[in-house]
Amino acid sequence: QKEVEQNSGPLSVPEGAIASLNCTYSDRGSQSFFWYRQYSGKSPELIMFIYSNGDKEDGRFTAQLNKASQYVSLLIRDSQPSDSATYLCAVTATTDSWGKLQFGAGTQVVVTP
Amino acid sequence: ETGVTQTPRHLVMGMTNKKSLKCEQHLGHNAMYWYKQSAKKPLELMFVYNFKEQTENNSVPSRFSPECPNSSHLFLHLHTLQPEDSALYLCASSEKYEQYFGPGTRLTVT
Repeated sequence: QKEVEQNSGPLSVPEGAIASLNCTYSDRGSQSFFWYRQYSGKSPELIMFIYSNGDKEDGRFTAQLNKASQYVSLLIRDSQPSDSATYLCAVTATTDSWGKLQFGAGTQVVVTP
Repeated sequence: ETGVTQTPRHLVMGMTNKKSLKCEQHLGHNAMYWYKQSAKKPLELMFVYNFKEQTENNSVPSRFSPECPNSSHLFLHLHTLQPEDSALYLCASSEKYEQYFGPGTRLTVT
């Protein structure tokens, strides 16, 4: 069983629309949640992190966390072609206090003009 | 520009070669990590160093040997690799939970 699951996509989003990405995790004790953006051929770039239930907004990005349902989502508003990338969800493992992260395989987002 | 640098950016090596990957972080972080990223697979954590001490070895074959001389530098020594070891090798650092990645080394084993 995968510990962090994401839909691989591709998720096709018209320019200007909202992209909605979901991630579920199996470790009920996980406390910290991260979204990374990875352009093709590049390394992952941290774009959002969230520690508490609810929503966290940063510019065009909103992270939503629901620990009871064990899912975290990322919304990208006013999607731009530059948002085309693979988005990785990462979750801390509760057995390690130094931020050992478990990654999903990523969701590919394609923003079409 | 990232605060984590990696060299070389590309490496082609034969199965009998010995090479080393280098990572340096300029962020003042205490923890450093090696990851392997293969196509269409999740990032695989290989090693974790916390204050220069190895705290995680994720069942990595002995042909990969890490070295962390101080909190700013991390090496991955490679020897007698297999073709399936071809991948993107990523270094990351963190103060606690938020990890920041270097640009990676694209390794090809022939």
